Amino acid sequence: GESVGLHLPTLSVQEGDNSIINCAYSNSASDYFIWYKQESGKGPQFIIDIRSNMDKRQGQRVTVLLNKTVKHLSLQIAATQPGDSAVYFCAENPWVEGAQKLVFGQGTRLTINP
Amino acid sequence: KAGVTQTPRYLIKTRGQQVTLSCSPISGHRSVSWYQQTPGQGLQFLFEYFSETQRNKGNFPGRFSGRQFSNSRSEMNVSTLELGDSALYLCASSHGQAGSYEQYFGPGTRLTVT
Repeated sequence: GESVGLHLPTLSVQEGDNSIINCAYSNSASDYFIWYKQESGKGPQFIIDIRSNMDKRQGQRVTVLLNKTVKHLSLQIAATQPGDSAVYFCAENPWVEGAQKLVFGQGTRLTINP
Repeated sequence: KAGVTQTPRYLIKTRGQQVTLSCSPISGHRSVSWYQQTPGQGLQFLFEYFSETQRNKGNFPGRFSGRQFSNSRSEMNVSTLELGDSALYLCASSHGQAGSYEQYFGPGTRLTVT
């Protein structure tokens, strides 16, 4: 069945360091993946996405890597800042006959230490 | 461009009552999806509406229902509330068409059932 999970529930990094958040998915038919950031009291905020025909995609200070062979997704955040502290979710969006349905992982809480 | 808005932001109801939540999507978006977020279950997909039609549905009981209006605004209704329905209810909007997968979330409605 469909499921998206995360390897670690919490991650602490020093301000200025790079952080890597990992995610495993089980639906090999999924062709679209998204990373969201959720701060306390807010809805998930879109960070970056990637289609299954890509291995890597870069944004501003963020990079998403997709390894379809082992069904693994990662989010790299460069030079972390205090504002990066949040819960990060990966999600897959299996596009089934036009319908949209995000399947979320459990989330990783990222804490930036000063 | 205004983001996704949800009303009300907070709601307290008692068991057995019903509740209606509202979501206004980003202008031009025709797809609205609803999600339930709880500490135990994480983010779970409820249903998606596109052009006033339910296009996809998650694994929730029939007490959870929704609809979409011609202006793409959507409402979800929960009847016969149970304590376990206490959660953050999030809606997300997107263009909902092939090639345009990004979903943008609103701030959510925090429902507490007592």
